[in-house]
Amino acid sequence: SQTIHQWPATLVQPVGSPLSLECTVEGTSNPNLYWYRQAAGRGLQLLFYSVGIGQISSEVPQNLSASRPQDRQFILSSKKLLLSDSGFYLCAWSQQGSLGEQYFGPGTRLTVT
Amino acid sequence: GIQVEQSPPDLILQEGANSTLRCNFSDSVNNLQWFHQNPWGQLINLFYIPSGTKQNGRLSATTVATERYSLLYISSSQTTDSGVYFCAANWNTGNQFYFGTGTSLTVIP
Repeated sequence: SQTIHQWPATLVQPVGSPLSLECTVEGTSNPNLYWYRQAAGRGLQLLFYSVGIGQISSEVPQNLSASRPQDRQFILSSKKLLLSDSGFYLCAWSQQGSLGEQYFGPGTRLTVT
Repeated sequence: GIQVEQSPPDLILQEGANSTLRCNFSDSVNNLQWFHQNPWGQLINLFYIPSGTKQNGRLSATTVATERYSLLYISSSQTTDSGVYFCAANWNTGNQFYFGTGTSLTVIP
């Protein structure tokens, strides 16, 4: 069966520090991968999605970036965090193709101080 | 732009009551899903339902794609049903999913 992991679970970082969040998927190959952010407990915002290694599409301009160095690994990064980057970050995967059901990881709660 | 709207935004129920949550979308969809977000933030898949009707225990969902809406029914609600319910959809134009703003459900004993 497929599983999706995210780490860390929680993170407190000062403004201006770098960020690296990691997401890995097990039990499937060539998945679509997604990063979402949820602020204030409502409204998931799609940040990035990827249909393959090295292929990243950005939905929202910001100081975040994403990379997919391996088939089942998706990384969310920032060089300098802003207060507004605080939130709950969720990674998700789906099967290739537009009909795929999506599955979410447990999330990372980021607080920028 | 692509719009997914949910109603009501907030709902308070007495335990044992029934409820209907609605999701409207602005275009035809390939994929429509319902999720429950528990108090710990985990998004739990409820239904994958681009069209038709499905049931799972006390929950059921119906999507009428031609009329661009989906409904989630919760019967005999329990306190563990509390949380936020999201619908999400994707379109022919790509692989990305778009979420509604959610319905926050509180079930009181």
